[in-house]
Amino acid sequence: EVQLVQSGGGLVKPGGSLRLSCAASGFTFSSYSMTWVRQAPGKGLEWVSSISSISTYIYYADSVKGRFTISRDNAKNSLYLQMNSLRVEDTAVYYCARDVEVVPVAEYYLDYWGQGTLVTVSS
Amino acid sequence: SYELTQPPSVSVSPGQTARITCSGDALPKKYAYWYQQKSGQAPVLVIYEDNKRPSGIPERFSGSSSGTMATLTISGAQVEDEADYYCYSTDRSGNHRLFGGGTKLTV
Repeated sequence: EVQLVQSGGGLVKPGGSLRLSCAASGFTFSSYSMTWVRQAPGKGLEWVSSISSISTYIYYADSVKGRFTISRDNAKNSLYLQMNSLRVEDTAVYYCARDVEVVPVAEYYLDYWGQGTLVTVSS
Repeated sequence: SYELTQPPSVSVSPGQTARITCSGDALPKKYAYWYQQKSGQAPVLVIYEDNKRPSGIPERFSGSSSGTMATLTISGAQVEDEADYYCYSTDRSGNHRLFGGGTKLTV
């Protein structure tokens, strides 16, 4: 059974940092790209960042570029999101999700999602 | 920047057909995907590659795409289908993903 278990959310002051983790099991983690998606309270889903299976390709939404860093440790079956210079508008539930590649068009969609973790940025 | 546009809300009576649209300039060359999100839960994929249904998703869910518009159709909508629905796709470069603004379906 595919499982994505998240940890690391919490309350942080503006300008602070936080690191989210996503522990994967039930599939060959090193074979899949992974993605972070967030959802501000009462708002829609927002793609945040994606990383390829061996970290060759990394992409960020403009809203987080330069402040957030996605990474992975395939030996530990884990995905991470390091969030620096946090802003009030970064307050959201953050989800990790597994990518499925659509061959041969090289598109990706999300099939399994973590349970979500709340990040609150407030003074 | 590229956007996917959905109506904020759609309302139908039980048993009626609900149609939720998603428009985007890149959709003629990119697949559309649809996610269902019930309150307090993680999203669930209901349609992929425009019109394919994952295992476990009821047959009443179907998808189509023509030109710059993709459509999620729920034939014979049921009360348990009440949720927020999001379309999802990629931009022309293929490097950035995005979601539509979401449609609240009331049954």
